[in-house]
Amino acid sequence: DGGITQSPKYLFRKEGQNVTLSCEQNLNHDAMYWYRQDPGQGLRLIYYSQIVNDFQKGDIAEGYSVSREKKESFPLTVTSAQKNPTAFYLCASSIGVQGNTEAFFGQGTRLTVV
Amino acid sequence: DAKTTQPTSMDCAEGRAANLPCNHSTISGNEYVYWYRQIHSQGPQYIIHGLKNNETNEMASLIITEDRKSSTLILPHATLRDTAVYYCIVRVARSGGSNYKLTFGKGTLLTVNP
Repeated sequence: DGGITQSPKYLFRKEGQNVTLSCEQNLNHDAMYWYRQDPGQGLRLIYYSQIVNDFQKGDIAEGYSVSREKKESFPLTVTSAQKNPTAFYLCASSIGVQGNTEAFFGQGTRLTVV
Repeated sequence: DAKTTQPTSMDCAEGRAANLPCNHSTISGNEYVYWYRQIHSQGPQYIIHGLKNNETNEMASLIITEDRKSSTLILPHATLRDTAVYYCIVRVARSGGSNYKLTFGKGTLLTVNP
């Protein structure tokens, strides 16, 4: 089946540890995105990538890092510099350069830092 | 990208039409109106999008006013499974970095009651 897969669904980490969230898509989409969602809030953009080996900061990139070595994959690392890492993280992808195309979302990873 | 304004919450009786309004008074001529919904603890799901004309698909209808300053998402026969947060977003259609950003606000929590 075509789609976008995030893993794991739930993740627990100790404070001060880096953690990497996986996002894979087999939709042949050029653009990929990472969002963060806090309880009762909308989605905030962390990073996005238009094409392989290119990515741009979103609105809340501090404390996060990404890579885009393959078209299918856009992993997000939550570093120890992120002050409030506990959140619901969503990955998305869209087909290409046109703005009139929809984005597809994964089912999210809920990260809890203790 | 233009900002949107939506009511915080709405109720609808099961089987009735749900009409969700969105104000986007600063929308530009090249910006599309998108609707997504998010069921609790899941990734957002694309519903529909449009530019100027009204649009209909198997999920919903989108009515955009002639001046494009507002729109209404219509779920013709709401079911209990339609209970979700509905997001109205405007997105520029041109190519380029900003084209890839989807800015989500807090949306409207639609509760469908039996």
